[in-house]
Amino acid sequence: KAGVTQTPRYLIKTRGQQVTLSCSPISGHRSVSWYQQTPGQGLQFLFEYFSETQRNKGNFPGRFSGRQFSNSRSEMNVSTLELGDSALYLCASSQGGDIGTDTQYFGPGTRLTVL
Amino acid sequence: TQLLEQSPQFLSIQEGENLTVYCNSSSVFSSLQWYRQEPGEGPVLLVTVVTGGEVKKLKRLTFQFGDARKDSSLHITAAQPGDTGLYLCAGGRYNTDKLIFGTGTRLQVFP
Repeated sequence: KAGVTQTPRYLIKTRGQQVTLSCSPISGHRSVSWYQQTPGQGLQFLFEYFSETQRNKGNFPGRFSGRQFSNSRSEMNVSTLELGDSALYLCASSQGGDIGTDTQYFGPGTRLTVL
Repeated sequence: TQLLEQSPQFLSIQEGENLTVYCNSSSVFSSLQWYRQEPGEGPVLLVTVVTGGEVKKLKRLTFQFGDARKDSSLHITAAQPGDTGLYLCAGGRYNTDKLIFGTGTRLQVFP
């Protein structure tokens, strides 16, 4: 069974630009969650999509948005990039059960650098 | 506000030593998960504990969930270089649908 894939793996942008990251979950998984990982703040939850609907959201500004398609693939978008958005963006897929006990499978991440 | 504090933040040890990583909070969690993340990869789930006082063993790794469900520990016996990585605890909370990750413990095991 193929794992979670994320594209691109590396991305360099400049301040003010926007970026779209893609995540393909494990086949059969209906939930996709996005996280931001930085050395200072650690791993922080952005949002979760389940069956094309945003089911849960973290404490990030509206510049961060996402969507999920009917095949469960998900994209996240960051508009008006800031230097502080430089981070590893991880997506995780699961079957969509209770978040505390459902196993989340993480992708390798997209390393975003904002110059 | 970081709800889950891990200690120590960094740990460098020799192969064969034992170690314990702690994950503490003032909040109650319905479940606690431990992950290991290696460079260039996403975190990989090691274990989930859901019952206060629960102890789970995974080969040389022993995980414990505190009786009050506010803390957890990970003990590694006879550490090996392959144990090197970033260890993360993550808590699931009642009435929320998101995991809260701890601050992380970076472990380096030297041969």
